[in-house]
Amino acid sequence: GAGVSQSPSNKVTEKGKDVELRCDPISGHTALYWYRQSLGQGLEFLIYFQGNSAPDKSGLPSDRFSAERTGGSVSTLTIQRTQQEDSAVYLCASSLGSGLATDTQYFGPGTRLTVL
Amino acid sequence: AQSVAQPEDQVNVAEGNPLTVKCTYSVSGNPYLFWYVQYPNRGLQFLLKYITGDNLVKGSYGFEAEFNKSQTSFHLKKPSALVSDSALYFCAVRDSRAAGNKLTFGGGTRVLVKP
Repeated sequence: GAGVSQSPSNKVTEKGKDVELRCDPISGHTALYWYRQSLGQGLEFLIYFQGNSAPDKSGLPSDRFSAERTGGSVSTLTIQRTQQEDSAVYLCASSLGSGLATDTQYFGPGTRLTVL
Repeated sequence: AQSVAQPEDQVNVAEGNPLTVKCTYSVSGNPYLFWYVQYPNRGLQFLLKYITGDNLVKGSYGFEAEFNKSQTSFHLKKPSALVSDSALYFCAVRDSRAAGNKLTFGGGTRVLVKP
């Protein structure tokens, strides 16, 4: 079946501009996660959505970052007033969302963001 | 707090030789442990996980991992490495006592399998 998809695959923007990154989770998965992978920082958790519950935003690095999930499926990560340190690969993952901590997360191919 | 460490930035191994990628963890409750592999310009692919039960877990592509509670380790192993196993490997942990379901990842270990 189809896996997690993300768009665009690459995004180049100028410092100060806003960007939107999109994630389509695996059909039937109710949990969705955003992570950031940058050189020297490894993989960092950003935000987690589970069904209709309030999202866990504990990993968002600043108030320039926000995310929403419409209709319990597609998610958009928005970065306002981008800075050069925002350059990274943004990875989305989804899981069944059974509520069990043993859920396996399945990752998309990522969006490579470059801020000039 | 949950944390995980991968002490080796890179592992070099000859094709056909055993491959081991090390991972140690720290949690306050019970650990749920995962291994992922990342090929160039690709996302993370799930390899295997340990939740409970048998300490030896078998996963995709001939990989296995051994959970060792006393050493707080979860090393990834493959008896005979292939050139195609060259990739970036990540260990991840989730603490059974932690709120939410986020994973904490190690820094990654690059594996290079030479012909």
